[in-house]
Amino acid sequence: NAGVTQTPKFQVLKTGQSMTLQCAQDMNHEYMSWYRQDPGMGLRLIHYSVGAGITDQGEVPNGYNVSRSTTEDFPLRLLSAAPSQTSVYFCASSHGTNNEQFFGPGTRLTVL
Amino acid sequence: KQEVTQIPAALSVPEGENLVLNCSFTDSAIYNLQWFRQDPGKGLTSLLLIQSSQREQTSGRLNASLDKSSGRSTLYIAASQPGDSATYLCAAYSNYQLIWGAGTKLIIKP
Repeated sequence: NAGVTQTPKFQVLKTGQSMTLQCAQDMNHEYMSWYRQDPGMGLRLIHYSVGAGITDQGEVPNGYNVSRSTTEDFPLRLLSAAPSQTSVYFCASSHGTNNEQFFGPGTRLTVL
Repeated sequence: KQEVTQIPAALSVPEGENLVLNCSFTDSAIYNLQWFRQDPGKGLTSLLLIQSSQREQTSGRLNASLDKSSGRSTLYIAASQPGDSATYLCAAYSNYQLIWGAGTKLIIKP
């Protein structure tokens, strides 16, 4: 099992550009989520999904879109990147909503 | 709203000492609590997961405790080593989310 994979590992964007951060898991987990981590702060939840076709907002959803068409994949889209979205993004998955979450290696995004 | 706090934000101790990292949460209605380690510029390494029905978990030199009634968890590191230097994060499973503390940056001096 590859676990939770994220691509790309690093990305630099210009303000206003769009991009999609990819997340995939091969553990047949129902629950998937996206977090961002900023310096000196804990991780904050952006969006989450409890199963294919179902998504919901977390603490900081503005500027981000998600969809969940399959159990395996949960992409995060930035429609118009802003410097405030410079951060490290982590994807996670688990069986159920309150069970141990497994994390991907992260994507380090810089918006100029 | 659940809030998780870790104090101190940074800690420096000599090699070989035993130490305790603290994590407090405001809402005792948590499902699980998990401790992670993060090295600079790296991802998250899960250390210990304590389920809500448990009071502690042990792995090697690490021992994590959970006291829901007082809203506290501690991570005990025995016989600290320079390789333990990292940021330690705790996270509470609460209402379909993981709520994170800001972390304690630990430096072990040789």
